[in-house]
Amino acid sequence: EAQVTQNPRYLITVTGKKLTVTCSQNMNHEYMSWYRQDPGLGLRQIYYSMNVEVTDKGDVPEGYKVSRKEKRNFPLILESPSPNQTSLYFCASSSKTSGVGTDTQYFGPGTRLTVL
Amino acid sequence: AQKVTQAQTEISVVEKEDVTLDCVYETRDTTYYLFWYKQPPSGELVFLIRRNSFDEQNEISGRYSWNFQKSTSSFNFTITASQVVDSAVYFCALSERETSGSRLTFGEGTQLTVNP
Repeated sequence: EAQVTQNPRYLITVTGKKLTVTCSQNMNHEYMSWYRQDPGLGLRQIYYSMNVEVTDKGDVPEGYKVSRKEKRNFPLILESPSPNQTSLYFCASSSKTSGVGTDTQYFGPGTRLTVL
Repeated sequence: AQKVTQAQTEISVVEKEDVTLDCVYETRDTTYYLFWYKQPPSGELVFLIRRNSFDEQNEISGRYSWNFQKSTSSFNFTITASQVVDSAVYFCALSERETSGSRLTFGEGTQLTVNP
């Protein structure tokens, strides 16, 4: 089954304790992204990657790191989490097509993170 | 810069009523893509539709229909004969040609509640 998976699905942690949220897709997609969802703000993009070793900042990258060492994986790293990073996080992937590139992003199930 | 506005934060209807969710977008690109996603109470994001800017034909899928009007920069979503299972948060989103597949800008979302 084609899917995007994220782990963990729920995480409660404390300020300053480094954590990683994993994201994996089995569709051989080139593009992957991380978003955070907050009430009243919709989803905002944190980072995205257009291929292996190619990453770029989205709209709210502060406090986050990413890496893309393999095509299927795109982990999100919080080196020193703070309470304002409490949020619902989504990973997404999409395929690169020739021409204008129109592909739809498909989302993982989400990771609910609480930073105390 | 691209922007998506969903002015309706919450809508409540009674089952079998028709309901329209509004979406207004801003972009300077002449080629862009519009999306609707559904987020049911379980939290996942479900892709509903993608529309290219050069295709202004309206679309109907069962009880769902979408009205795309470039003249007013709107991409509204109508549910006919609503059902309780339609209760969800609905997001409208936009991507521009050069960043399609990698960057999505979301609206704030509209919480739809369908009461029995």
